Amino acid sequence: GAVVSQHPSRVICKSGTSVKIECRSLDFQATTMFWYRQFPKQSLMLMATSNEGSKATYEQGVEKDKFLINHASLTLSTLTVTSAHPEDSSFYICSARDPTGAWNEKLFFGSGTQLSVL
Amino acid sequence: DQQVKQNSPSLSVQEGRISILNCDYTNSMFDYFLWYKKYPAEGPTFLISISSIKDKNEDGRFTVFLNKSAKHLSLHIVPSQPGDSAVYFCAASDVDSSYKLIFGSGTRLLVRP
Repeated sequence: GAVVSQHPSRVICKSGTSVKIECRSLDFQATTMFWYRQFPKQSLMLMATSNEGSKATYEQGVEKDKFLINHASLTLSTLTVTSAHPEDSSFYICSARDPTGAWNEKLFFGSGTQLSVL
Repeated sequence: DQQVKQNSPSLSVQEGRISILNCDYTNSMFDYFLWYKKYPAEGPTFLISISSIKDKNEDGRFTVFLNKSAKHLSLHIVPSQPGDSAVYFCAASDVDSSYKLIFGSGTRLLVRP
């Protein structure tokens, strides 16, 4: 079946550094990808919608200059957390939509990235 | 303001019995509802969905019920198996939202052997 690959699975960085997370669709071309964030014991919160070839659409309250999203190809979207701070520590998950089928069954999630900022 | 709520953070059931996970929503514009299963350090995997034009959808051991008037849906798993132990998220969307999902906070299900 379709697979979405997300890397790295875990990253520890120093405060002030930038971290890039990659999300790849392996079996299909994803015109739309989504980035979520999850705090412990809380729900997945949508951060932004990434559209191939155009600017990402950010949800209210998400700083676009802080969380840079690039969707340069139909199989790759990246999320860069710039100048990371401890409060950015969280579990980040991407999802990608396979446009060839019913969307509810064609939305696949990556395995997530646990970011820890020291 | 949480638009999708799962008020039970955890549920424990005996193997072979029925597991019932509940979800409430507040946005009447939601017209599609999904259930996802998630293991630690992994992304959610799709389980079952239901459109607002239906009140029930069944797939094997999994059945989702939708009560639009009460803005409530539930996931029934019967019979429950130890391998079903995971966190279950309900999610909702509307046709105008371009496939964006709003998730509940999840319910951790433990199926005891």
